[in-house]
Amino acid sequence: EVQLVESGGGLEKPGGSLRLSCAASGFTFSNAWMSWVRQAPGKGLEWVGRIKSKTDGGTTEYAAPVKGRFTISRDDSKNTLYLQMNNLKTEDTAVYYCTTDGLVVGATLDYWGQGTLVTVSS
Amino acid sequence: DIQMTQSPPSLSASVGDRVTITCRASQSISRKLNWYQQKPGKAPKLLIYAASSLQSGVPSRFSGSGSGADFTLTINSLQPEDFATYYCQQSYSPWWTFGQGTKVEIK
Repeated sequence: EVQLVESGGGLEKPGGSLRLSCAASGFTFSNAWMSWVRQAPGKGLEWVGRIKSKTDGGTTEYAAPVKGRFTISRDDSKNTLYLQMNNLKTEDTAVYYCTTDGLVVGATLDYWGQGTLVTVSS
Repeated sequence: DIQMTQSPPSLSASVGDRVTITCRASQSISRKLNWYQQKPGKAPKLLIYAASSLQSGVPSRFSGSGSGADFTLTINSLQPEDFATYYCQQSYSPWWTFGQGTKVEIK
């Protein structure tokens, strides 16, 4: 069974940094493309970015609002995905979901974690 | 970025009704369109991919159609567990974008 468990959320001040983690199990993590998606309170879904598998280059792509501030990385030895968030802004307040990116069904966000809440406030 | 526009933003319906939600892309996206269902306090769930393919385990009362820039999600015979928010999402460009969501409420 695919499981994705996010952690690391919390309260941070504007301009601060936070690192989210996503522990993956139930599939071959090293072969998987992974994405982060966020949802501001009471709002819709926003794709944040993805990281490809190392065999597919390990490259990353980001949505415009976070490019240059957020970094997605992976540790395949630990089956863990990361989201490093720097220079946080109040508009980054959201629940952050870790997702598989086409694990079983290509070009979809087919499995989701339960999410972790990030609050950016002074 | 490709903009996705859903309509209506919300709707009220009764159990047994047929419900239709539309999604329009700002450019042609072929059939690179997915639909997700989200219930309050829960993560979204993939319902339909590639415009019309039903994800495994999803009831057959859900269906999707469309291509190019215009797409539709239809729920036949709405059930109590279908009251939720539905999102479309394009996977045509590498930078994926979602519609703003359609909340289906009980009339």
